[in-house]
Amino acid sequence: GAGVSQSPRYKVAKRGQDVALRCDPISGHVSLFWYQQALGQGPEFLTYFQNEAQLDKSGLPSDRFFAERPEGSVSTLKIQRTQQEDSAVYLCASSPDRVFGEQYFGPGTRLTVT
Amino acid sequence: AQSVTQPDIHITVSEGASLELRCNYSYGATPYLFWYVQSPGQGLQLLLKYFSGDTLVQGIKGFEAEFKRSQSSFNLRKPSVHWSDAAEYFCAVDAAGNKLTFGGGTRVLVKP
Repeated sequence: GAGVSQSPRYKVAKRGQDVALRCDPISGHVSLFWYQQALGQGPEFLTYFQNEAQLDKSGLPSDRFFAERPEGSVSTLKIQRTQQEDSAVYLCASSPDRVFGEQYFGPGTRLTVT
Repeated sequence: AQSVTQPDIHITVSEGASLELRCNYSYGATPYLFWYVQSPGQGLQLLLKYFSGDTLVQGIKGFEAEFKRSQSSFNLRKPSVHWSDAAEYFCAVDAAGNKLTFGGGTRVLVKP
């Protein structure tokens, strides 16, 4: 079956621009996660949804970052007024379980802020 | 603070040789433990996971990992590596049921 998909795969933004990154989870998966992976580092947790409810946003680095999942399926991560330090790969994962479930990752969106 | 440490940033191994990647974690209780592999341009693929029970777990692609509570370790092993095993490997833990904390990764290079 189809896995987690993300779009766009690559995004170049000028500093100060707003960007929106999309994640299509595996159909029926309850939980959805966003991670940020800087070059040469491991992914770091950003936020977590259970259906449409955002249960944990403790990893969002600033109030410029905003995520939503309005209908409990597709999710969008929005970054306002992008800065160079936002350059990273943004990974989305979904899980069929509410807690302690296996997470299935998408290919990521590579964001470069110039 | 809770953390996951992968002490080796790079490992080079000859094709056919054995491989062991180290992972140590610092948590108050035994978390759920995972190993993921990431090939260039690819997302993370789960190799194996430990939740409870037998401390030696088998995964895909011939990998196995051993959980040692006394050492807070979860090392990944493969008896004989193939050129296709060249990738970056991440150890991860889930202590709260709702997010993974990853180590910094170990990049594996395979010599012919």
